[in-house]
Amino acid sequence: SQTIHQWPATLVQPVGSPLSLECTVEGTSNPNLYWYRQAAGRGLQLLFYSVGIGQISSEVPQNLSASRPQDRQFILSSKKLLLSDSGFYLCAWSVLSGNNSPLHFGNGTRLTVT
Amino acid sequence: DQQVKQNSPSLSVQEGRISILNCDYTNSMFDYFLWYKKYPAEGPTFLISISSIKDKNEDGRFTVFLNKSAKHLSLHIVPSQPGDSAVYFCAASGANFGNEKLTFGTGTRLTIIP
Repeated sequence: SQTIHQWPATLVQPVGSPLSLECTVEGTSNPNLYWYRQAAGRGLQLLFYSVGIGQISSEVPQNLSASRPQDRQFILSSKKLLLSDSGFYLCAWSVLSGNNSPLHFGNGTRLTVT
Repeated sequence: DQQVKQNSPSLSVQEGRISILNCDYTNSMFDYFLWYKKYPAEGPTFLISISSIKDKNEDGRFTVFLNKSAKHLSLHIVPSQPGDSAVYFCAASGANFGNEKLTFGTGTRLTIIP
């Protein structure tokens, strides 16, 4: 069965510090991979998605970036965090070839920028 | 621009009664709709979906209704159980947006009162 791992679960970082959140998927090949963010009182906002190694699409211009160095690994990064980067970050995967296939989410990372 | 809207941030329902969660969308190009359930400190989990060629889809205690002319969908849970207490997100996608991308609403917190 497929599983998705996301870490760390919680993170407190000062403004201006770098960020690296990692996500890995097991039990499937060639998944679509996603990073979403849920800010306080808001819905889930798509930040990045990837349909293959090295292929990243950005939905929202900001100081975050994403990379996919391996088929089942997706990394969210920032060189300098802003206060507005605080939120709940969720990694997700879906079947690459299936139209309208549901997203499967990890348990998320609660990021607090102080 | 919030293309998927859940206008009720919270809802309380007595155990055993019907819970009705509502969702409205603005973009007529959406053709696939999903509901996700989220517990605190966890990622959302897929609950049920409906294609625009249908107006109803049922799975056990959960039924989703779609009214395309009104651009409205609803999730019915009957009978409601304490374990249904969670935040429910409505989401939409469409071929014109790339089926791999979902647009989420802001969520409705459902509380089932024992």
